Amino acid sequence: GAVVSQHPSWVICKSGTSVKIECRSLDFQATTMFWYRQFPKQSLMLMATSNEGSKATYEQGVEKDKFLINHASLTLSTLTVTSAHPEDSSFYICSARDLRGGVGETQYFGPGTRLLVL
Amino acid sequence: AQKVTQAQTEISVVEKEDVTLDCVYETRDTTYYLFWYKQPPSGELVFLIRRNSFDEQNEISGRYSWNFQKSTSSFNFTITASQVVDSAVYFCALSEAEYSSASKIIFGSGTRLSIRP
Repeated sequence: GAVVSQHPSWVICKSGTSVKIECRSLDFQATTMFWYRQFPKQSLMLMATSNEGSKATYEQGVEKDKFLINHASLTLSTLTVTSAHPEDSSFYICSARDLRGGVGETQYFGPGTRLLVL
Repeated sequence: AQKVTQAQTEISVVEKEDVTLDCVYETRDTTYYLFWYKQPPSGELVFLIRRNSFDEQNEISGRYSWNFQKSTSSFNFTITASQVVDSAVYFCALSEAEYSSASKIIFGSGTRLSIRP
């Protein structure tokens, strides 16, 4: 099946720094990628939808200037948490969709990135 | 608006017992997809099943079975003869028509399942 990778798998940073998380589709071209955030013992909440070559669409309540999303190629999307604060500590998961077809699951999820901001 | 409700926050059963995880959804769309995902402690989501709104046939896969009933807007998941390895958080989810770039998956709050040896 289709594989989506995320890098890094975990990151610890100091408050005020920026952190970049990469999401790659390894064996297919992802026309659309999604970014989710999951706080401990909570569900996955969609943050934004990114389409290759266009601006991301952010969900209500998500600061677009704080969570910068770039989907510059059909296999790579990046999420940059700017000026991270402890409340940004969370599990970030990306997913990728191949609109050219696909049997089974519609979105392929990455393994997630754990962010801890000190 | 779309919504997925998993009323059971936590369930704990003894190994080999059967267990059913409930899922109720809301949508105004006539075409939609329902999913179940498993999230073990590692955090990585494991896809279990996708069902489209036009297919109400129940499905069985090994010890797993799913009961989809449009009349009650429910998509329940049953694990038969549960095992300790089934311990995880299980999410029910809903999305609009598959091939719309604007469609997105809405997740329920999850049910934490613990299987005791």
